[in-house]
Amino acid sequence: GAGVSQSPRYKVTKRGQDVTLRCDPISSHATLYWYQQALGQGPEFLTYFNYEAQPDKSGLPSDRFSAERPEGSISTLTIQRTEQRDSAMYRCASSRSGPGAQYFGPGTRLLVL
Amino acid sequence: DQQVKQNSPSLSVQEGRISILNCDYTNSMFDYFLWYKKYPAEGPTFLISISSIKDKNEDGRFTVFLNKSAKHLSLHIVPSQPGDSAVYFCAAGTGTASKLTFGTGTRLQVTL
Repeated sequence: GAGVSQSPRYKVTKRGQDVTLRCDPISSHATLYWYQQALGQGPEFLTYFNYEAQPDKSGLPSDRFSAERPEGSISTLTIQRTEQRDSAMYRCASSRSGPGAQYFGPGTRLLVL
Repeated sequence: DQQVKQNSPSLSVQEGRISILNCDYTNSMFDYFLWYKKYPAEGPTFLISISSIKDKNEDGRFTVFLNKSAKHLSLHIVPSQPGDSAVYFCAAGTGTASKLTFGTGTRLQVTL
Protein backbone atom coordinates (compact mmCIF):
# COMPACT_ATOMS: atom_id res chain seq x y z
CA GLY A 1 0.00 0.00 0.00
CA ALA A 2 0.91 3.67 -0.12
CA GLY A 3 1.74 3.89 3.56
CA VAL A 4 1.74 1.89 6.77
CA SER A 5 -1.75 1.25 8.07
CA GLN A 6 -2.81 0.06 11.51
CA SER A 7 -6.09 -1.15 12.91
CA PRO A 8 -7.96 -0.51 14.99
CA ARG A 9 -7.06 3.15 15.55
CA TYR A 10 -8.54 3.04 19.04
CA LYS A 11 -9.20 0.12 21.34
CA VAL A 12 -10.79 0.18 24.77
CA THR A 13 -10.72 -3.07 26.69
CA LYS A 14 -11.20 -4.32 30.21
CA ARG A 15 -8.36 -5.53 32.32
CA GLY A 16 -7.75 -9.24 31.81
CA GLN A 17 -8.97 -9.32 28.20
CA ASP A 18 -6.76 -10.20 25.25
CA VAL A 19 -6.27 -7.70 22.42
CA THR A 20 -4.78 -8.06 18.96
CA LEU A 21 -3.47 -5.12 16.99
CA ARG A 22 -2.80 -5.26 13.28
CA CYS A 23 -0.20 -3.63 11.05
CA ASP A 24 -0.09 -3.56 7.27
CA PRO A 25 3.34 -2.30 6.15
CA ILE A 26 4.40 -0.63 2.92
CA SER A 27 4.23 -3.46 0.40
CA SER A 28 7.87 -3.34 -0.74
CA HIS A 29 9.24 -3.26 2.81
CA ALA A 30 10.91 -6.35 4.22
CA THR A 31 11.36 -5.11 7.77
CA LEU A 32 8.55 -4.36 10.20
CA TYR A 33 8.82 -2.91 13.70
CA TRP A 34 6.56 -2.53 16.70
CA TYR A 35 7.00 0.29 19.20
CA GLN A 36 5.12 1.34 22.32
CA GLN A 37 4.75 5.03 23.06
CA ALA A 38 3.63 6.44 26.39
CA LEU A 39 2.25 9.96 26.65
CA GLY A 40 5.00 12.56 26.48
CA GLN A 41 7.64 10.01 25.53
CA GLY A 42 9.25 8.84 22.34
CA PRO A 43 8.45 5.44 20.83
CA GLU A 44 10.12 2.52 22.59
CA PHE A 45 11.18 -0.56 20.66
CA LEU A 46 9.26 -3.79 21.22
CA THR A 47 10.26 -6.17 18.44
CA TYR A 48 10.93 -6.40 14.72
CA PHE A 49 10.66 -8.79 11.77
CA ASN A 50 12.69 -9.40 8.65
CA TYR A 51 10.04 -11.02 6.48
CA GLU A 52 8.75 -13.82 8.75
CA ALA A 53 11.83 -14.00 10.96
CA GLN A 54 11.79 -12.22 14.32
CA PRO A 55 15.45 -11.57 15.15
CA ASP A 56 14.89 -9.33 18.13
CA LYS A 57 12.06 -9.33 20.64
CA SER A 58 14.11 -7.91 23.47
CA GLY A 59 11.76 -4.97 23.97
CA LEU A 60 8.63 -7.00 24.70
CA PRO A 61 7.84 -6.12 28.34
CA SER A 62 6.57 -9.55 29.37
CA ASP A 63 5.52 -12.91 28.02
CA ARG A 64 1.98 -11.54 27.76
CA PHE A 65 3.16 -9.73 24.62
CA SER A 66 3.71 -11.59 21.37
CA ALA A 67 3.93 -10.69 17.72
CA GLU A 68 3.59 -12.59 14.46
CA ARG A 69 4.22 -12.02 10.78
CA PRO A 70 3.49 -15.46 9.32
CA GLU A 71 3.60 -14.57 5.62
CA GLY A 72 6.13 -11.77 5.79
CA SER A 73 3.64 -8.98 5.20
CA ILE A 74 0.87 -8.17 7.70
CA SER A 75 1.81 -8.42 11.37
CA THR A 76 -0.19 -8.69 14.56
CA LEU A 77 0.75 -7.76 18.10
CA THR A 78 -1.20 -9.61 20.79
CA ILE A 79 -1.38 -8.65 24.43
CA GLN A 80 -2.85 -11.33 26.67
CA ARG A 81 -4.49 -10.65 30.01
CA THR A 82 -4.19 -6.90 29.55
CA GLU A 83 -3.25 -4.71 32.48
CA GLN A 84 -3.84 -0.99 32.99
CA ARG A 85 -0.12 -0.29 32.53
CA ASP A 86 -0.43 -1.63 28.95
CA SER A 87 -2.40 1.51 28.04
CA ALA A 88 -0.32 3.33 25.44
CA MET A 89 -0.03 4.14 21.76
CA TYR A 90 1.27 1.16 19.78
CA ARG A 91 3.11 2.12 16.65
CA CYS A 92 4.11 0.01 13.72
CA ALA A 93 6.83 1.02 11.25
CA SER A 94 8.41 -0.54 8.19
CA SER A 95 11.61 -0.12 6.23
CA ARG A 96 13.03 -1.54 3.02
CA SER A 97 15.54 -3.82 4.68
CA GLY A 98 17.52 -3.65 7.89
CA PRO A 99 18.79 -0.47 9.56
CA GLY A 100 17.74 2.86 8.14
CA ALA A 101 14.77 5.18 7.93
CA GLN A 102 11.57 3.65 9.26
CA TYR A 103 8.13 4.76 8.13
CA PHE A 104 5.45 4.85 10.77
CA GLY A 105 1.76 4.14 10.72
CA PRO A 106 -0.81 6.26 12.59
CA GLY A 107 -0.75 3.99 15.63
CA THR A 108 -3.34 2.18 17.74
CA ARG A 109 -4.28 3.86 20.99
CA LEU A 110 -5.02 1.19 23.59
CA LEU A 111 -6.86 1.98 26.79
CA VAL A 112 -7.19 -0.73 29.40
CA LEU A 113 -9.85 -0.02 32.00
CA ASP B 1 18.78 5.10 31.32
CA GLN B 2 17.83 7.53 28.56
CA GLN B 3 20.36 6.91 25.78
CA VAL B 4 18.93 9.67 23.57
CA LYS B 5 18.02 12.95 25.23
CA GLN B 6 16.17 15.99 24.04
CA ASN B 7 16.47 18.36 26.95
CA SER B 8 14.18 21.07 25.61
CA PRO B 9 10.56 19.99 25.75
CA SER B 10 9.46 23.03 23.77
CA LEU B 11 10.74 25.81 21.55
CA SER B 12 9.06 28.89 20.10
CA VAL B 13 10.49 30.63 17.03
CA GLN B 14 9.24 33.45 14.84
CA GLU B 15 8.39 32.73 11.23
CA GLY B 16 11.39 33.30 8.97
CA ARG B 17 13.94 32.78 11.74
CA ILE B 18 16.13 29.75 12.34
CA SER B 19 14.90 26.88 14.53
CA ILE B 20 17.58 24.81 16.24
CA LEU B 21 16.59 21.57 17.89
CA ASN B 22 19.15 19.71 19.94
CA CYS B 23 19.76 16.09 20.83
CA ASP B 24 22.39 14.35 22.94
CA TYR B 25 23.21 10.66 23.10
CA THR B 26 25.26 8.50 25.40
CA ASN B 27 25.77 5.26 23.46
CA SER B 28 28.95 5.48 21.38
CA MET B 29 27.78 2.47 19.34
CA PHE B 30 25.14 4.57 17.58
CA ASP B 31 26.26 5.16 14.01
CA TYR B 32 23.27 6.71 12.35
CA PHE B 33 20.81 9.31 13.48
CA LEU B 34 17.42 10.45 12.28
CA TRP B 35 14.94 13.24 12.88
CA TYR B 36 11.22 12.66 12.78
CA LYS B 37 8.42 15.19 12.76
CA LYS B 38 5.05 14.44 14.27
CA TYR B 39 1.74 16.22 13.85
CA PRO B 40 -1.16 15.53 16.24
CA ALA B 41 -3.07 12.30 15.54
CA GLU B 42 -0.47 11.17 13.01
CA GLY B 43 2.51 8.85 13.18
CA PRO B 44 6.06 10.24 13.17
CA THR B 45 7.24 11.21 9.68
CA PHE B 46 10.86 10.69 8.66
CA LEU B 47 12.56 14.01 7.98
CA ILE B 48 16.31 13.63 7.57
CA SER B 49 19.13 11.34 8.64
CA ILE B 50 22.89 11.38 9.02
CA SER B 51 25.51 8.66 9.19
CA SER B 52 28.34 8.88 11.70
CA ILE B 53 30.85 9.18 8.86
CA LYS B 54 29.46 12.64 8.08
CA ASP B 55 29.14 15.76 10.17
CA LYS B 56 26.47 17.50 8.12
CA ASN B 57 23.56 16.57 5.91
CA GLU B 58 21.30 19.04 4.18
CA ASP B 59 17.89 18.69 2.57
CA GLY B 60 16.23 21.91 1.53
CA ARG B 61 15.44 23.98 4.60
CA PHE B 62 16.59 21.19 6.94
CA THR B 63 20.18 20.58 7.98
CA VAL B 64 21.39 18.08 10.55
CA PHE B 65 24.77 18.54 12.21
CA LEU B 66 26.58 15.76 14.05
CA ASN B 67 29.36 16.31 16.60
CA LYS B 68 30.59 12.82 17.46
CA SER B 69 33.11 13.91 20.05
CA ALA B 70 30.39 15.74 21.97
CA LYS B 71 27.78 13.04 21.21
CA HIS B 72 25.49 15.81 20.06
CA LEU B 73 23.38 16.45 17.02
CA SER B 74 21.16 19.31 16.02
CA LEU B 75 18.49 20.02 13.44
CA HIS B 76 18.41 23.46 11.85
CA ILE B 77 15.32 24.67 10.03
CA VAL B 78 15.86 27.80 7.95
CA PRO B 79 13.65 29.68 7.39
CA SER B 80 11.05 28.41 9.83
CA GLN B 81 7.47 28.30 8.61
CA PRO B 82 4.19 27.94 10.52
CA GLY B 83 3.71 24.48 8.98
CA ASP B 84 6.88 23.37 10.76
CA SER B 85 5.02 23.54 14.08
CA ALA B 86 5.09 19.94 15.33
CA VAL B 87 6.87 17.65 17.76
CA TYR B 88 10.35 16.67 16.60
CA PHE B 89 11.93 13.40 17.69
CA CYS B 90 15.58 12.56 17.48
CA ALA B 91 16.39 8.85 17.01
CA ALA B 92 19.56 6.79 16.85
CA GLY B 93 20.48 3.33 15.66
CA THR B 94 23.41 1.04 14.98
CA GLY B 95 24.31 -0.59 11.71
CA THR B 96 24.10 -4.01 13.26
CA ALA B 97 20.68 -3.72 14.85
CA SER B 98 17.51 -2.47 13.29
CA LYS B 99 15.80 -0.91 16.28
CA LEU B 100 15.79 2.83 16.83
CA THR B 101 16.14 4.55 20.18
CA PHE B 102 14.12 7.76 20.41
CA GLY B 103 14.35 10.89 22.46
CA THR B 104 11.33 12.34 24.26
CA GLY B 105 10.66 14.98 21.63
CA THR B 106 10.71 18.77 21.37
CA ARG B 107 7.55 20.69 20.53
CA LEU B 108 8.31 23.45 18.05
CA GLN B 109 5.92 26.36 17.70
CA VAL B 110 6.53 28.72 14.80
CA THR B 111 4.72 31.99 15.39
CA LEU B 112 3.68 34.61 12.87
